[in-house]
Amino acid sequence: QQQVKQSPQSLIVQKGGISIINCAYENTAFDYFPWYQQFPGKGPALLIAIRPDVSEKKEGRFTISFNKSAKQFSLHIMDSQPGDSATYFCAASMPGGGNKLTFGTGTQLKVEL
Amino acid sequence: GAGVSQSPSNKVTEKGKDVELRCDPISGHTALYWYRQSLGQGLEFLIYFQGNSAPDKSGLPSDRFSAERTGGSVSTLTIQRTQQEDSAVYLCASSLAGLVPGELFFGEGSRLTVL
Repeated sequence: QQQVKQSPQSLIVQKGGISIINCAYENTAFDYFPWYQQFPGKGPALLIAIRPDVSEKKEGRFTISFNKSAKQFSLHIMDSQPGDSATYFCAASMPGGGNKLTFGTGTQLKVEL
Repeated sequence: GAGVSQSPSNKVTEKGKDVELRCDPISGHTALYWYRQSLGQGLEFLIYFQGNSAPDKSGLPSDRFSAERTGGSVSTLTIQRTQQEDSAVYLCASSLAGLVPGELFFGEGSRLTVL
C-alpha cells in the first residue's frame, strides 16, 4: 500500500520557471513532511520540511505548501535553475516513529536553459 | 569520515549467491536505517536500528534479508540466495533520533546487480 503518492513522475521546466511537485498522503497520523533532493550517484539529502500546524514554509527559492484537510502537500521551486535538476522525494513520518520515513516514488526534474 | 560510508559501491553477483552490504554511520548517530531504491519505486524502508532497542524489521521483504548492527555503529545488510528482483540500490542512513525529526543523512548507496 502506497501511503504517500507523488506526482508527476517527471517534469521539465524552463530556466526561471516554477517547478511544482505534488504529494498526497493517506495516514492522518503523519506529523512531519520532509522533501529530499537526490542527484545522480548520490544519496538523498534533506531539502526542506514542514509540520501540519503550518500551511506554508519557505526557504530561499523552495516553498512547501500544506493542505491538512485535503491531505496534500507540494513543493514549489521558484526561479528554477539547471542546478536544480535532480530527483525529488516527498516523505512523511509519524510521531514516535524514530524518523522512519515513508517516501513517495520520486519526481525527476529537469530544468532546461 | 564526515558522512555515511557504504561499501561496496557496486556489487554484481549471480542468482543464488549471498551478499553482504556494509554501512558505517556518522559518528555519534544513534539511529541507522536501510532503504532500498528500485527504479520507479521510490525508497522502500527495510529496517531501522535505534540504540540498544530491538530493530524495527517491518520492511524486510523476505526472510532472505537480515541485518545487524554491531557495537551500536557499523551495520551489515545480508541478502541470502539472491534473486534478480533484489537488484536495486541499497541506501543506508543515520540520524540523531529525536533531535531533528525526519532528518536522515544518507550514504551514496550500494548498487546490487543480480544476474
